[in-house]
Amino acid sequence: RKEVEQDPGPFNVPEGATVAFNCTYSNSASQSFFWYRQDCRKEPKLLMSVYSSGNEDGRFTAQLNRASQYISLLIRDSKLSDSATYLCVVTPPTGTYKYIFGTGTRLKVLA
Amino acid sequence: DAGITQSPRHKVTETGTPVTLRCHQTENHRYMYWYRQDPGHGLRLIHYSYGVKDTDKGEVSDGYSVSRSKTEDFLLTLESATSSQTSVYFCAISDGTGLEQYFGPGTRLTVT
Repeated sequence: RKEVEQDPGPFNVPEGATVAFNCTYSNSASQSFFWYRQDCRKEPKLLMSVYSSGNEDGRFTAQLNRASQYISLLIRDSKLSDSATYLCVVTPPTGTYKYIFGTGTRLKVLA
Repeated sequence: DAGITQSPRHKVTETGTPVTLRCHQTENHRYMYWYRQDPGHGLRLIHYSYGVKDTDKGEVSDGYSVSRSKTEDFLLTLESATSSQTSVYFCAISDGTGLEQYFGPGTRLTVT
C-alpha cells in the first residue's frame, strides 16, 4: 500500500459546482497534513494546512479523519482558476524530515 | 511569496557531464530540501539540509550530492549526469520539521 494515495482524476466539474477530494495515508502516527496546489509546469504552492478540528479558508475546507486515516479538501463555488492539480502531503511522526507527497488529483473546472 | 530562487531555470546537458543547481532563499529558514518530480511519481526527496554543513540523504540520492556552506544557499550536484536524471527539480524550505514547506520555481533539466 502506498504511504499516501490520491485519486488522480481528472475531476471535470462545471463552474459553480462543489467538488471534494480525499487522500488516504497509511501511517496512523502521521503528524502534519497539508494540501498544495500545483499549476501546470509550476511549483507546488501551499493551499492550506489541515488541523484536527478542520479548517476553512474562503471557499476551501479541509478536514482530517484520523480514525479512517484520510484528509479531505472541499471546494465550493468552483472557479475556472481553480483548475490545477491538488497534492496531499503528510509528515511522519515527530523527528523526521520526510514529507510524503501524493501524486495529485487533477481538477478541471469547465465554463 | 516566499523568497526562494533557483538557477538555472532550464538546462540541457550531455550524459556524463557534471551539473550544479542552485537554490537561494532570503527567509533564513533552517531546513532546505531538494526534490525531483517525474510523471507518475509524487515529489521525491533527493537530499535535505537541517543547517549549515548539515545534510542527509533522501529516498533517491544515488548520483547526487549536496552542499550547504551558508544558510541561504543549497547546491545540488549531479556528478555525472545520466538520462534518468532528466526531471524537474524543486528546492523547498521550511522553518521546522513538520511545518509548511515553500517551494522554489523549479529547474527543468534535460540530459541528452
